[in-house]
Amino acid sequence: QSVLTQPPSVSGALGQRVTITCTGTSSNIGANFDAHWYQQLPGAAPKLLIYANKNRPSGVPDRFSGSKSGTSIFLDITGLQPGDEADYYCQSYDTDLSAWVFGGGTRLTVL
Amino acid sequence: EVHLVESGGGLVKPGGSLRLSCVGSGFTLSDYSMAWVRQAPGKGLEWVSYISSSSTDMNYAGSVKGRFTISRDNAENSLYLQMKRLRVEDTAVYYCVRDEGFGEYWGKGTMVTVSS
Repeated sequence: QSVLTQPPSVSGALGQRVTITCTGTSSNIGANFDAHWYQQLPGAAPKLLIYANKNRPSGVPDRFSGSKSGTSIFLDITGLQPGDEADYYCQSYDTDLSAWVFGGGTRLTVL
Repeated sequence: EVHLVESGGGLVKPGGSLRLSCVGSGFTLSDYSMAWVRQAPGKGLEWVSYISSSSTDMNYAGSVKGRFTISRDNAENSLYLQMKRLRVEDTAVYYCVRDEGFGEYWGKGTMVTVSS
């Protein structure tokens, strides 16, 4: 099982909004370590989407936003587009494991 | 532009060995920690190993500790992963990642298949 917990799947209608939640523990997100989001399109390497909880790398549309509360982080995607269909992973650092930890991934379907 | 290119993957029998390489360009490798992350077919991402910029600190996932060795040659802008006593469950795409606490830059990955 993954250290960080994400729903296996979410879906939303074209143009609508979805939120993906990633829940950690007191040894990672809850210990105030930054968390990050990646988008993985089919057959491609993961791409950084959000870093340090809420920051977008250059080139990432502002339709993608991140936030954090307690031991959870959230990825909001607004104005859903067909190209947003992908797997989304959260990642943080775990002080007990001294390692990066990932969520199990969430598959987004745009209806 | 930053690029990471992995190589060295392939088909190997259980118990065998492989050495993965990753060459970086567009940046100075010696300025950064680096990591390997893998993804088994149809599965999620799994952090494998980390090495600090000057090789003074290394760490491994429990599933590979004692079997895998991470190293780097900053003069060659290269990162390596020596994998020994490979198991069927090591089958995955292995990604080289520039480690800044997160992975802004990933290679395209190299496939390792462990099968008899």
